[in-house]
Amino acid sequence: AQSVAQPEDQVNVAEGNPLTVKCTYSVSGNPYLFWYVQYPNRGLQFLLKYITGDNLVKGSYGFEAEFNKSQTSFHLKKPSALVSDSALYFCAVRPTGRRALTFGSGTRLQVQP
Amino acid sequence: GAGVSQSPSNKVTEKGKDVELRCDPISGHTALYWYRQSLGQGLEFLIYFQGNSAPDKSGLPSDRFSAERTGGSVSTLTIQRTQQEDSAVYLCASSPRTGDPQETQYFGPGTRLLVL
Repeated sequence: AQSVAQPEDQVNVAEGNPLTVKCTYSVSGNPYLFWYVQYPNRGLQFLLKYITGDNLVKGSYGFEAEFNKSQTSFHLKKPSALVSDSALYFCAVRPTGRRALTFGSGTRLQVQP
Repeated sequence: GAGVSQSPSNKVTEKGKDVELRCDPISGHTALYWYRQSLGQGLEFLIYFQGNSAPDKSGLPSDRFSAERTGGSVSTLTIQRTQQEDSAVYLCASSPRTGDPQETQYFGPGTRLLVL
């Protein structure tokens, strides 16, 4: 089965510190990986995606993600966290042969002032 | 430009009633998806429309759920004889072209359904 896992339910970080939200995947074939963010009572907002090429993907709001094939990971990172980054983050994969996304369980990021 | 819109934003209904949820995709987007977000199940795929092709209904949890897409644009998700376990946020997404795996899906704000 093709899936993604987000091992942390919550990540706490102080404002100004770097943040990492973890994601690992299990797919056959080439992985298409995505990160979305959800603010309270809002839909999902696209942050970035990995299709092919450079392993470091840059996205919206200063976020980036590193694709690591040997570790089957796609961790989301930001050099300096903001309080406004506090939200729910979802990693997703588009399994081979399917159009719909398969989502991880989500990680709540809390940035403390 | 305008994003994906959904209506109503909130819906409270009684068990056993039917509900209709509406999605307006981004203009020109040919692919449309419905997902459900619930506490117990996380984010799960329901149904996918692509142009005039037959929809992929593989994610629909029961035959009480159905969806249609009229004129390749607006979509309606219908839940018949609602149950309390149908309470969730129903999210709609659209993408620009032919469902290419590289495409980004853009999500609407969702409809929060509460079945009493």
